[in-house]
Amino acid sequence: QQQVKQSPQSLIVQKGGISIINCAYENTAFDYFPWYQQFPGKGPALLIAIRPDVSEKKEGRFTISFNKSAKQFSLHIMDSQPGDSATYFCAASRRGNNDMRFGAGTRLTVKP
Amino acid sequence: GAVVSQHPSRVICKSGTSVKIECRSLDFQATTMFWYRQFPKQSLMLMATSNEGSKATYEQGVEKDKFLINHASLTLSTLTVTSAHPEDSSFYICSATDPYYGYTFGSGTRLTVV
Repeated sequence: QQQVKQSPQSLIVQKGGISIINCAYENTAFDYFPWYQQFPGKGPALLIAIRPDVSEKKEGRFTISFNKSAKQFSLHIMDSQPGDSATYFCAASRRGNNDMRFGAGTRLTVKP
Repeated sequence: GAVVSQHPSRVICKSGTSVKIECRSLDFQATTMFWYRQFPKQSLMLMATSNEGSKATYEQGVEKDKFLINHASLTLSTLTVTSAHPEDSSFYICSATDPYYGYTFGSGTRLTVV
């Protein structure tokens, strides 16, 4: 069953705009929430991750917002650039458990 | 950070032949590695979990005799697609886990069966 739901499926943003991708999870035992970035023909690469003891984590232009009560987390890309065009996957896993669940992915296109 | 090397990056093979894909953790030991399959514009589909020194655990619907997995050492797992057919053409990705670095993915292998 799909334990991590991701939306939207695709997203088009103008250069300089804010890209927002949302994910919702079901299993309250999850305690690690990473985002991966994947370019065509490449494997996913860890972009940023958060644990539920904080509500927000920022690394450069990338921010994760986490809402534990709603079981939701989102990725915000500020000042989006054409080089950010890629597919983004959210994921969730439980500490000590190697089984990570992935969202369906969001194809982001940043138009110049 | 952790590095996972996957080879080959691309392979074209004839229908009926077998293809081996290697996944190596370069700077850490990985007791568990994962193999995924990804269709165009779709998410990662977990095929199997590879555990060092034991049999792999396959996801439902994945033919274990078709996709042979060997995890002979703490740094190497291999996926062999046996008697490949055009429908096996896909992008295969491995990942390895480490207690410190978490999940790290390989760069993927584009398999084309002609």
